[in-house]
Amino acid sequence: GIQVEQSPPDLILQEGANSTLRCNFSDSVNNLQWFHQNPWGQLINLFYIPSGTKQNGRLSATTVATERYSLLYISSSQTTDSGVYFCAVGQNSGNTPLVFGKGTRLSVIA
Amino acid sequence: GAVVSQHPSRVICKSGTSVKIECRSLDFQATTMFWYRQFPKQSLMLMATSNEGSKATYEQGVEKDKFLINHASLTLSTLTVTSAHPEDSSFYICSARLQANTEAFFGQGTRLTVV
Repeated sequence: GIQVEQSPPDLILQEGANSTLRCNFSDSVNNLQWFHQNPWGQLINLFYIPSGTKQNGRLSATTVATERYSLLYISSSQTTDSGVYFCAVGQNSGNTPLVFGKGTRLSVIA
Repeated sequence: GAVVSQHPSRVICKSGTSVKIECRSLDFQATTMFWYRQFPKQSLMLMATSNEGSKATYEQGVEKDKFLINHASLTLSTLTVTSAHPEDSSFYICSARLQANTEAFFGQGTRLTVV
């Protein structure tokens, strides 16, 4: 099956710093999403981005499907950004499940 | 976005008992829902695909007799962990989409502890 690799696995930032999280995938996809898992376990949808670039406030994401990677940018990080960020992809058309990467654990310190 | 609601959010049960977890699509109909499991500090792993009106499809290594899935209506899928054991303690989370090839939404998750 498809492999999803996220880097870095762990990241510690000073509040106010910027960061880039990367997601590489081993095959073509027609669905890619970024999530933030908060300390209570809930998955917060950040971006649905099978291709192109999107921005939402301090967050933005870019997916280059032809090169099989996606990037999540976090600018001016805040302590509330702490948590685990997951990239998940889906193959095939139709209602198919997502395959998750192992995540990037982000800690933002004041 | 679409709302997927999961209940209960947390449950503690004794070893050998069964626990039922509900996953509801609140503002849309979902013919297909997905159940994932997440162990501490690990990623989400797909357990099974729940199909309304038909049998669930289980991933390799997931015991279908232990993890019973029922998708009796277009807005409700249930996961029953039968004869639970401490190794079944985990975070269970469901997912659904409004339609194919669109954004997937997740429930709040259920943290199961078997003592």
